[in-house]
Amino acid sequence: EVRLVESGGGLVQPGESLRLSCEGSGFTFSSYWMAWVRQAPGKGLVWVASIKQDGSDKYYLDSMKGRFTISRDNAKSSLFLQMNSLTADDTAVYYCARGSPKTNWFDPWGQGTLVTVSS
Amino acid sequence: EIVLTQSPATLSLSPGGRATLSCRASQSVITYLAWYQQRPGQAPRLLIYDTSNRATGIPARFSGSGSGTDFTLTISSLEPEDSAVYYCQQRSNWPLTFGGGTKVEIK
Repeated sequence: EVRLVESGGGLVQPGESLRLSCEGSGFTFSSYWMAWVRQAPGKGLVWVASIKQDGSDKYYLDSMKGRFTISRDNAKSSLFLQMNSLTADDTAVYYCARGSPKTNWFDPWGQGTLVTVSS
Repeated sequence: EIVLTQSPATLSLSPGGRATLSCRASQSVITYLAWYQQRPGQAPRLLIYDTSNRATGIPARFSGSGSGTDFTLTISSLEPEDSAVYYCQQRSNWPLTFGGGTKVEIK
């Protein structure tokens, strides 16, 4: 069974940093694009960032460039999102999602990890 | 950035009914469009990719069509478990973008 499990969410104060992790299992992690997608409470889905199989290409939503960094460790089947200078607008459930070997359709998704930015 | 506009915002239908959901792109995405279902309290699930291809395990009552800027997701015979929010997504250009969603209610 293909599985993605996120961790690392929690309550942080504005201006602080947080690092999210996602561990994949049941598939050859190094063969797939991977991505982060977030969803603010009661709102829609927003793509955050994607990373190519070997980490050589990374793409970000413009509003997150410079603050968020996506990375991966294929030896550990793990995806990461380093988030700096967090604001209340970053409060959301963050989903890890698998792309495909050649495209960026997301299947499957993890269960999500909640990040709350509040003083 | 390609903006995806979904309509209607909410659809309220009876079991066995037919749902037609629309997704319009601000510029051509060719056929690089997908549909996702998100049930309450759950993560999204891929239904359709590349406009009309059903993902693994998706029932045949879900179908997609369209090209360029206008796309449709059709649910041919609604089941109670189809109650969810449906999102379209394009992969034609970076940044990847999602539509705002259509909520389908089964009354």
